[in-house]
Formats: sequence, structure tokens, C-alpha cells
Amino acid sequence: KNEVEQSPQNLTAQEGEFITINCSYSVGISALHWLQQHPGGGIVSLFMLSSGKKKHGRLIATINIQEKHSSLHITASHPRDSAVYICAVLVNRDDKIIFGKGTRLHILP
Amino acid sequence: EPEVTQTPSHQVTQMGQEVILRCVPISNHLYFYWYRQILGQKVEFLVSFYNNEISEKSEIFDDQFSVERPDGSNFTLKIRSTKLEDSAMYFCASRGHYGYTFGSGTRLTVV
Repeated sequence: KNEVEQSPQNLTAQEGEFITINCSYSVGISALHWLQQHPGGGIVSLFMLSSGKKKHGRLIATINIQEKHSSLHITASHPRDSAVYICAVLVNRDDKIIFGKGTRLHILP
Repeated sequence: EPEVTQTPSHQVTQMGQEVILRCVPISNHLYFYWYRQILGQKVEFLVSFYNNEISEKSEIFDDQFSVERPDGSNFTLKIRSTKLEDSAMYFCASRGHYGYTFGSGTRLTVV
């Protein structure tokens, strides 16, 4: 069983739709990252969360530590949001990150 | 905004050759990492480095791999004798108080 599970694996939506990507994990963590990977391959860190909620522009990330679950929301989605979104957790007492498989998001104009 | 810089962006090498992937982490970060992503698969942890030594490594990081911080700014990953299955995107990252910053990756192709 993967320690970090994301859903959905693939998501296609129309421009303007509200997008939610979910992440569940089974290990104890000290922080959770949401990352964005564009077709060229580079990874950009969007958020690091250890509790509660963070907002940056049209992106919102939430985490529920008790339920071991996090969500990434995109409001007013745009074709330039098309990318792979990766959930990654920093494991307690270990100096490493475990990555989810990613959610491939495609926003149609 | 500070960046983690990786060079080269793409390297093609013959099987059995040694390669060195280079990274310049953010200057005031103390923790450094290498990850890799085989095409179509998820990103995998290779190794973490702190205080001039390896702090954690994965099963992937066998004797063919080594890391070094030769001059206080560069952080290198060496693969001694490359195999076809080493073909992947290799990401360097450094960690500071506010989280991780990833480099844009080196795409290694072993032929």
C-alpha cells in the first residue's frame, strides 16, 4: 500500500471550474507539501503545511492532521493551471519526503 | 527569490560511464537532498545530507551513488557506472525554515 495516496489520478475540467485534489497519508508527518510539476519536468513548491489552511492567490491548501488528509483547491481554474500536482509528506523523525503519484490536471479553455 | 540551480539540464551518457550531477542549493540552507523520477513514475527519495555527511539514504542509493559538497556551495551526485535503468530526472532540493526548494532537475539519459 502506498503511504501517500492522491485522488483523482487524472482530472479534466473546464476553465473557471473549482478544482479539488485530495491527499491521504498513512504515516506520521511533520509537514506536508503540495508541489506543481509542469510538462518540462521542473518542480515548484506551492505550499508547506503542518496544520490548518494556507491560501496563495487562487490556490488554497488545507490539512487535517487527525484524519491524515489534505486537499488542494484551485478557484477559477485556468488553462495555465494544467500540470501535475504532487502531494509529498515529510516523515516524522526521518529526514526524507515521501511523494504521492501525482494528479494530472488538464484545464480546457 | 532564491533558487536551487542544477546543471546540466540534460545529460546523455554511455552505459558504464560515470556522471556527476551538480546542484547549487540556497546559500543559507543546511539540509540537501537528491530525488529522482523515472519517466511516468513518482518522485523517489535518494539521499539527504546534513553537516557534510549523509543523514538518510534509500535502498536505491547503493554503492554506485555518492554525494559530496566539495566547496561549500556545490552539492553533487555521482553515479559511478551508469546503467540503463538510471535514466531519470534527478532533482536536487535544499531545506530551510520555510520548507523545501527544488531545482528544475537534470534529465539523465543512459544509452
